[in-house]
Parts: sequence; structure tokens; C-alpha cells
Amino acid sequence: GQNIDQPTEMTATEGAIVQINCTYQTSGFNGLFWYQQHAGEAPTFLSYNVLDGLEEKGRFSSFLSRSKGYSYLLLKELQMKDSASYLCAVSDSNYQLIWGAGTKLIIKP
Amino acid sequence: SQTIHQWPATLVQPVGSPLSLECTVEGTSNPNLYWYRQAAGRGLQLLFYSVGIGQISSEVPQNLSASRPQDRQFILSSKKLLLSDSGFYLCAWSVRGLDTGELFFGEGSRLTVL
Repeated sequence: GQNIDQPTEMTATEGAIVQINCTYQTSGFNGLFWYQQHAGEAPTFLSYNVLDGLEEKGRFSSFLSRSKGYSYLLLKELQMKDSASYLCAVSDSNYQLIWGAGTKLIIKP
Repeated sequence: SQTIHQWPATLVQPVGSPLSLECTVEGTSNPNLYWYRQAAGRGLQLLFYSVGIGQISSEVPQNLSASRPQDRQFILSSKKLLLSDSGFYLCAWSVRGLDTGELFFGEGSRLTVL
């Protein structure tokens, strides 16, 4: 079967750095997405990785290792507005997205 | 620019009543369209997707149905709602033929079945 695993909840302090991990087992791989979802709202796109390595976009970075079936999302200089759920999703061999349950990130002052 | 809208945003329905959620996409042609459901604390569950008018694929057998009467219109329906149908419903679209499969979501519709 297909499976995406990520921690249920994480807590971090404003101004700090946090890393959210995602491991996956899917039938085929055509890229990995990270989405941000604030409570009661729709997910919004953060990043896309299809090759191994680190993609940096402002305060957010995403890393992929295809051989390990592993990705992480790194958030720097945390702000209160970063409190949200972060969803990991893998595009499988049919370009359908397989979703993790999401990691709820709580930012404390 | 492309936009996607879905409505209603919130609704409370009794068990056994019908349901209709609508979604429209503007600014693009021939999109792939999707209906997802998100239960509290759960991941996104794909319900239906469509690659063209009248072409609907169902991922999960249940009492819901979907229709695509026009290229950029996607409708989620039920004849008789169950308590278990409560959740956050999201419509989404993607560019047909784009390898990444990136999704663009509507605002979401929160359904409470009592």
C-alpha cells in the first residue's frame, strides 16, 4: 500500500527553527509537495521537490532524499503566523497526490 | 489569473437530506478537477476526480456522487446524507498534462450533518 508518515503535532518558539519530517512509501514517485493549511482554510502550496537536495524559498526550505523515501520542511525565524498544519503529499506513478495526515505546528511566544 | 470558487462555505444539514456543493474554475481551460474530504485530524481523502466533461472517477464507494456538466464546473451531491458525511470538503484543480500534479484549492465547504 501507499503510506505517508509525518508527526501529528510539533511545538516551537517564535524566532526559532523547526524541521518537519515526512517519510513515504508509494507506487512510483513524481515529486513531493508541502502545503500549508491554516485552521478552517484550504491548503496553499509551499514547495515541490522532484530531485534530491534542498530547495530554499525565503524562510522555508524543503529537502528530498528519494533513496530514503524522506523529506523535511525547514522553517526559519518562526513567526506566530506560521502556526498551521503542514501537509506532505507525494505524486505517485499516475500523478495522483497521496496525502499525509498533516503536522500541526504550534508556535509559542 | 486562475481562480477557483466553491460554495456554500458552511452548511448544517439533517441526516437523510440532500446535498449539493458547487465549484467553478475561471481563467483556465480543460482543468483536472477534484473533490476531497478532510475529517478532523485526518489527511485529505480523494473522493472524485475528473479529466473532462462527463468523465468522473470515484475513489471511494459511498453515498456521494459528482458531476461535471461544464468544463469548469464540478458538483458534489448526495441524495441522503449520513452522519459520517460531516467534514471539510475541498474542490481543487490542476493543469492537465502538467507533470507535477500541483493542486490549487477552493476555499472549502464545512458540512455538519446532525
